[in-house]
Amino acid sequence: DAKTTQPTSMDCAEGRAANLPCNHSTISGNEYVYWYRQIHSQGPQYIIHGLKNNETNEMASLIITEDRKSSTLILPHATLRDTAVYYCIAANSGGSNYKLTFGKGTLLTVNP
Amino acid sequence: NAGVTQTPKFQVLKTGQSMTLQCAQDMNHNSMYWYRQDPGMGLRLIYYSASEGTTDKGEVPNGYNVSRLNKREFSLRLESAAPSQTSVYFCASSDTGGAGVEAFFGQGTRLTVV
Repeated sequence: DAKTTQPTSMDCAEGRAANLPCNHSTISGNEYVYWYRQIHSQGPQYIIHGLKNNETNEMASLIITEDRKSSTLILPHATLRDTAVYYCIAANSGGSNYKLTFGKGTLLTVNP
Repeated sequence: NAGVTQTPKFQVLKTGQSMTLQCAQDMNHNSMYWYRQDPGMGLRLIYYSASEGTTDKGEVPNGYNVSRLNKREFSLRLESAAPSQTSVYFCASSDTGGAGVEAFFGQGTRLTVV
């Protein structure tokens, strides 16, 4: 799996958009970009994933650059409950090779 | 729909004791995983099972054994616990498929070895 690089921490004001960057310059063509978050030592929670195109769901948007070497997770209106560690992961899709490799992630703190 | 259930939630062991961490999922997923998370660190994969009847080592398998009992259940065994195995253990499951899959995690087992 490709290595990902994320900032250690970020701050965001409540109600504003949170933009979390991730670098995955060695990502291979069959690897997806996944985002998970972990709130206060609970089990990680899936947020979103994508291959080439930008993706949006009820939680967030994922913007992947055309060369796929980096991506940005966008939480459009951050709330205090979005304070968590966010993990960006590059992994193959499904099958016996599907394993998530977690780095240290980005601690996002949403401030009132 | 319970998702992924881990038992126990907390456990204290003495060095040298053995124990089994249990994990069950009710989503009919083929793949299951065991991770450990040490303080301030990301999750590290211990073992995984891509399908019923198969298991493979992950990043940190030493000191652990696993059993994929059936499609629902995947257990992690510590034969002789060591203080270095003090950690939070997470079980996860996912489907297998070609279009990107979502993994579901349990709430963790907090293990302390003294």
